[in-house]
Amino acid sequence: EDQVTQSPEALRLQEGESSSLNCSYTVSGLRGLFWYRQDPGKGPEFLFTLYSAGEEKEKERLKATLTKKESFLHITAPKPEDSATYLCAVQVSKDQFYFGTGTSLTVIP
Amino acid sequence: DAEITQSPRHKITETGRQVTLACHQTWNHNNMFWYRQDLGHGLRLIHYSYGVQDTNKGEVSDGYSVSRSNTEDLPLTLESAASSQTSVYFCASTSGAGGHVEQFFGPGTRLTVL
Repeated sequence: EDQVTQSPEALRLQEGESSSLNCSYTVSGLRGLFWYRQDPGKGPEFLFTLYSAGEEKEKERLKATLTKKESFLHITAPKPEDSATYLCAVQVSKDQFYFGTGTSLTVIP
Repeated sequence: DAEITQSPRHKITETGRQVTLACHQTWNHNNMFWYRQDLGHGLRLIHYSYGVQDTNKGEVSDGYSVSRSNTEDLPLTLESAASSQTSVYFCASTSGAGGHVEQFFGPGTRLTVL
């Protein structure tokens, strides 16, 4: 069964304390892996797309990496404005994809 | 600026009533999607469309329908609302082939079925 699991469910960091969020997946075939940011009461906001193992993408303090079984979202020296829920999604075919339940990140000043 | 809007933002209805949620995008995207988001489940695809007159069922399509008569709009209809359909609904669009490159999401509609 295709499955996407994100961990941890919640993460509290001090401002400047770097960490990583995990997205592990068991799917029949990966066409793409997507990271989104979601603020309370808003729709998800696209961050990155990764297509193949070894690929990396960066945006400001965020860096996404991909292996054959999981993806990491590394957050370097986070700021309070990075507080949000981060969602991972995998696409296995043109019409099939699965979202994880997200990691709720809180960055404390 | 191009955008994607949803209305209403909040809706309370009763079991058995028909409800329609609106989604309008000005990106001129061919691909549009409806999701529901529930605690413990993440986002789940309800219906999607790759163009005018094209509609397809997603993972949780039972009890929902969509129609696509123009590029800009994809209304979602709950034929006979049930309490299990209480959720937050998101509409999204993308121009990417295959449907899931750089999706743009609307702000969501919180639906409560009593």
